[in-house]
Amino acid sequence: DIVMTQTPLSSPVTLGQPASISCRSSQSLVHSDGNTYLSWLQQRPGQPPRLLIYKISNRFSGVPDRFSGSGAGTDFTLKISRVEAEDVGVYYCMQAAQFPITFGPGTKVDVK
Amino acid sequence: EVQLVESGGGLVQPGGSLRLSCAASGFTISSYWMGWVRQAPGKGLEWVANIKQDGSEKYYVDSVKGRFTISRDTAQNSLYLQMNSLRAEDTAVYYCAQAMGGAFDYWGQGTLATVSS
Repeated sequence: DIVMTQTPLSSPVTLGQPASISCRSSQSLVHSDGNTYLSWLQQRPGQPPRLLIYKISNRFSGVPDRFSGSGAGTDFTLKISRVEAEDVGVYYCMQAAQFPITFGPGTKVDVK
Repeated sequence: EVQLVESGGGLVQPGGSLRLSCAASGFTISSYWMGWVRQAPGKGLEWVANIKQDGSEKYYVDSVKGRFTISRDTAQNSLYLQMNSLRAEDTAVYYCAQAMGGAFDYWGQGTLATVSS
């Protein structure tokens, strides 16, 4: 199974400042079809998860452009250019390059 | 508008069974991979199962193989998760999700399954 790790696990941020979360996979996430199936999800308190980014860097419909994804192979990053109050929550990376699909442990983003 | 509405959760004793349902609207489930993801209280996300568009392929996390069965009814446009031989560690909120592009793009609100005596 592919193990997903995230750093940091907790990120106190100042509103208006940037934030960055790293995600590392134990194996390459490049699928045999050439795509890299790494996505990022946000889970606000009391809410279901919401897709932010798919295939490393593609923003899902309705996701603000302050969210961006980057990376390749086994190392990936989610960046929030300027954190807003509504961004508080837990962020997960997820790989779907192979079954079983696995998630990172989550990074809790809250306001300092 | 895509909507996914789960139901069927509840309290069940260890060894018992539950059948979760997920009613889809705004799209046709036979056009997408669909999946179930669970979240134990206060914990992270765990993928449970996926089913291919035509139902020909099904995948499960090891911990539920032989106990859980994912299925779908295209006439009802619904996804199901039959959960048998339930254990305390299966206690979680279960979300159904539409899968596309190697990601879960739409999620339901979830249904809580509690396994306890």
